Amino acid sequence: DTAVSQTPKYLVTQMGNDKSIKCEQNLGHDTMYWYKQDSKKFLKIMFSYNNKELIINETVPNRFSPKSPDKAHLNLHINSLELGDSAVYFCASSHLLSPGVSSYNEQFFGPGTRLTVL
Amino acid sequence: AQTVTQSQPEMSVQEAETVTLSCTYDTSESDYYLFWYKQPPSRQMILVIRQEAYKQQNATENRFSVNFQKAAKSFSLKISDSQLGDAAMYFCAYRSRNRDDKIIFGKGTRLHILP
Repeated sequence: DTAVSQTPKYLVTQMGNDKSIKCEQNLGHDTMYWYKQDSKKFLKIMFSYNNKELIINETVPNRFSPKSPDKAHLNLHINSLELGDSAVYFCASSHLLSPGVSSYNEQFFGPGTRLTVL
Repeated sequence: AQTVTQSQPEMSVQEAETVTLSCTYDTSESDYYLFWYKQPPSRQMILVIRQEAYKQQNATENRFSVNFQKAAKSFSLKISDSQLGDAAMYFCAYRSRNRDDKIIFGKGTRLHILP
């Protein structure tokens, strides 16, 4: 009964290839996120979707395209992979925080996908 | 824009001793959350402790406690009675209460526990 799952856990590929990472959550959350953790362990938001609508799109190359077919899934497709794309990619989910509402909605993280580009 | 700074890339502590990890942040908002996350070698992100900015009382979770100084924008983590299983990367993090609902992480502190 995994809360946030990602597939695959490891992905090794050649430069120039196109690859996808899938994320699914079974928590009934309305918001999903992608974070990237680089080789120095720095973790940074890339995208978030609320009810299939893109609400955060940080400065990420347009080779990265998130796709949310429904509230429970947020996939990350990467075109023309480059060496610098090697990282661990984390998916997360939560209910969106609402200003003025006191209850807290925790972001749950998936186990991460280690992408290695050769 | 909000920033989170962890000035200690690595720290070591003897088993059973107490260690404090430092964190400062910058924001113009008044309503937000602060966290400490633990990332062991398994790379799973584990929430250790959470602090609501509007609460003056420092959060505690068993051996983990924070010293939250809102005016100074400081948020340190104290680990008491350190155990070998506490060895990990620790990330200080900030989350706004507005619609731009992302977590901003510091660069992390690697904690070593010496037996």
